[in-house]
Amino acid sequence: DSGVTQTPKHLITATGQRVTLRCSPRSGDLSVYWYQQSLDQGLQFLIQYYNGEERAKGNILERFSAQQFPDLHSELNLSSLELGDSALYFCASHRGTGELFFGEGSRLTVL
Amino acid sequence: AQTVTQSQPEMSVQEAETVTLSCTYDTSESDYYLFWYKQPPSRQMILVIRQEAYKQQNATENRFSVNFQKAAKSFSLKISDSQLGDAAMYFCAYRSAWEGDDKIIFGKGTRLHILP
Repeated sequence: DSGVTQTPKHLITATGQRVTLRCSPRSGDLSVYWYQQSLDQGLQFLIQYYNGEERAKGNILERFSAQQFPDLHSELNLSSLELGDSALYFCASHRGTGELFFGEGSRLTVL
Repeated sequence: AQTVTQSQPEMSVQEAETVTLSCTYDTSESDYYLFWYKQPPSRQMILVIRQEAYKQQNATENRFSVNFQKAAKSFSLKISDSQLGDAAMYFCAYRSAWEGDDKIIFGKGTRLHILP
């Protein structure tokens, strides 16, 4: 158990819809990262938050947004969903020792 | 910008044999971290091993060891006595040690098959 909690684990929705993925980092970790992994692909960095502030941005679509709340949990909002958004979305956190600790991911299927 | 390259999309090894996965990276920084992550069929991301760039000694974790060549910007993973449970996708990753840039960059991965 990495200590990073992601919900929901699985989500099936239709094109055009909006979903919210939630992440709770490890206790004490201030940084939260979001990654997207399409089938048999590598991890694409989406966005990073540090203590409530956006720290770095990757190839995140304009239809996607995220935020980190005062209690340090984070949400990734995906809107106007397309078939190509089907993927595994990972949240990860770290405390400064270098490595990321990953949640189990949220598997999104867009039909 | 930093990049991480894994040139072997897939590899196979016989059970109990040794296999080496390659990773090269590009950076202008002198202090950084390197990691190998394993992603089994469950798709959970599991840290296998980490290396701090300032340490000359290669990291080792049981059957897993790295060959870190800083000048060549190479960071290969050696798996000894391969086991069926080692079958997974392996990702090499880089992170700057500078506090202002802690984005972690992943390679595209190497899928490792273990042959019984």
